[in-house]
Amino acid sequence: ELKVEQNPLFLSMQEGKNYTIYCNYSTTSDRLYWYRQDPGKSLESLFVLLSNGAVKQEGRLMASLDTKARLSTLHITAAVHDLSATYFCAVDMGTDKLIFGTGTRLQVFP
Amino acid sequence: NAGVTQTPKFRVLKTGQSMTLLCAQDMNHEYMYWYRQDPGMGLRLIHYSVGEGTTAKGEVPDGYNVSRLKKQNFLLGLESAAPSQTSVYFCASKASGYYPYEQYFGPGTRLTVT
Repeated sequence: ELKVEQNPLFLSMQEGKNYTIYCNYSTTSDRLYWYRQDPGKSLESLFVLLSNGAVKQEGRLMASLDTKARLSTLHITAAVHDLSATYFCAVDMGTDKLIFGTGTRLQVFP
Repeated sequence: NAGVTQTPKFRVLKTGQSMTLLCAQDMNHEYMYWYRQDPGMGLRLIHYSVGEGTTAKGEVPDGYNVSRLKKQNFLLGLESAAPSQTSVYFCASKASGYYPYEQYFGPGTRLTVT
């Protein structure tokens, strides 16, 4: 059974600081997704990582995938308040079905 | 181009009542999914469909039924609602093949069962 674990579950960080969210998964997969969810809203796709060593960047967010370690990271650079949201990683089971992590709730304060 | 829409947005049911949630997409996607989101548990797949007329079970299918009579619509039914089905339900769709790879989500339906 594929399990996806994120840590931390909650992250409170000051504006301007850097931090990394980790996503570990238990079985082989070479396709991983990161989504953002604002309170009371739907999920918005951030990154699609399709192979070992893949790295994607958008603004202050950078995601990477290490399929051998079964690990993906979402790095936040110089956080700003607008990044406050819940971030989910999701792993493709190989059949276009996703298993989601429990999410990391990010709160950025001045 | 509305993307993925869900009806209704909110609903309150009494235990034992039934209801149907409607998901519609206008992107001509082959694949459609129903998830539930509970606090602290991320999203869990209930049922999914890889094409018109096909459905399959996900992680947590018990207590739910689905139908995909038309390619653009995916219905989720609760025959006899239980308080444990209080949740936020999200529908998603995805193109078959390789690109685009991600699932696109609807706005969600907040269901309360009393």
